[in-house]
Amino acid sequence: GAVVSQHPSRVICKSGTSVKIECRSLDFQATTMFWYRQFPKKSLMLMATSNEGSKATYEQGVEKDKFLINHASLTLSTLTVTSAHPEDSSFYICSARGVPTSGVTDTQYFGPGTRLTVL
Amino acid sequence: LAKTTQPISMDSYEGQEVNITCSHNNIATNDYITWYQQFPSQGPRFIIQGYKTKVTNEVASLFIPADRKSSTLSLPRVSLSDTAVYYCLVESGWMDSSYKLIFGSGTRLLVRP
Repeated sequence: GAVVSQHPSRVICKSGTSVKIECRSLDFQATTMFWYRQFPKKSLMLMATSNEGSKATYEQGVEKDKFLINHASLTLSTLTVTSAHPEDSSFYICSARGVPTSGVTDTQYFGPGTRLTVL
Repeated sequence: LAKTTQPISMDSYEGQEVNITCSHNNIATNDYITWYQQFPSQGPRFIIQGYKTKVTNEVASLFIPADRKSSTLSLPRVSLSDTAVYYCLVESGWMDSSYKLIFGSGTRLLVRP
């Protein structure tokens, strides 16, 4: 149990375009989802926290108009990088915190990540 | 949120036991300690979680002393595939909207043949 998927796994786009990344909890309901970004050989940096049906809470320094987060259901959250620029190139990882059930501990389960490259 | 401190890197050899210690001096009463493993270009993978004393699962053990100001992840008989970055985290705010995880720098473990 407790599988989180991300799509796409890798995306290359031109500067100025918008990119949407999906995060799904496949076999549990996620009360809260989180988005992180990670630069090479660096640790994960929390960008925002989202609860289903409410607005995301962004960490200090993260532009909410640039990184749009939607958490439409208990199994799906999306991150849209608007008007992407080369400095937005990074590894984006989502995680989901689920309702504890058999096989699901009350912690965060991470997706495999999405590698974004902006040319 | 309790800050965690762990060694930046560790080296080991195949078949050895590896112990990675993490300090979290400001841990609060309701906080849990969780360890994650991350391989390059992958999301972190949950290893083990504990509150106090000792927890063991099929891949690792977690030792937490009575004062809970530190914890030690123990990996028995490591193999080359255990080469990864290991993160120690303190999970706070379980029951409220402030819950989140803040990742430290992690420990880069290199297992040599």
